Amino acid sequence: DAKTTQPNSMESNEEEPVHLPCNHSTISGTDYIHWYRQLPSQGPEYVIHGLTSNVNNRMASLAIAEDRKSSTLILHRATLRDAAVYYCILRRRGSQGNLIFGKGTKLSVKP
Amino acid sequence: DAGVTQSPTHLIKTRGQQVTLRCSPKSGHDTVSWYQQALGQGPQFIFQYYEEEERQRGNFPDRFSGHQFPNYSSELNVNALLLGDSALYLCASSLTNAIEAFFGQGTRLTVV
Repeated sequence: DAKTTQPNSMESNEEEPVHLPCNHSTISGTDYIHWYRQLPSQGPEYVIHGLTSNVNNRMASLAIAEDRKSSTLILHRATLRDAAVYYCILRRRGSQGNLIFGKGTKLSVKP
Repeated sequence: DAGVTQSPTHLIKTRGQQVTLRCSPKSGHDTVSWYQQALGQGPQFIFQYYEEEERQRGNFPDRFSGHQFPNYSSELNVNALLLGDSALYLCASSLTNAIEAFFGQGTRLTVV
């Protein structure tokens, strides 16, 4: 499975936008980009996924580079509740298997 | 819908003992996966069950075994516990072919 690289930690101010980067230079054409986040003392929760085009949902936006070798998760207005570890994961299309988690990015949000 | 529920929430066992962890998937979900999360690390895949069969397995020894019941609930069994088995054990459920996996809050296992 292709590997992802994320910064260990990032800081943000409350109510400001946050851009969480992810590099995946060995991504294949059939790999979807998934983002999960894990709030303190919780299991991971799905945030968003995409293949080639940028995606928006109620939680976040996903911007995918044209060459697909990197992507950015965008939280438009960070809240204290968004403080979590964010994981960028590649998953092959049609795969029914496991999610391969790295160490993720720990996001801190300051009031 | 209660979502994915795991029991117990916390557990302390002695080295060499055996432990069973339980998971009830989200209503209607037929696929259950188990993950181990050591402190400060991302979750690591143990195995996945579908239609009461182990469909996929990660790089874990045979001491780790599981079961899925006809109602889709699942158990994770760990034999001959080692200190290194201390971790948060997460259960995730999904529908086959679905994109999104739903995780429980986990069982915190401490081996002393």
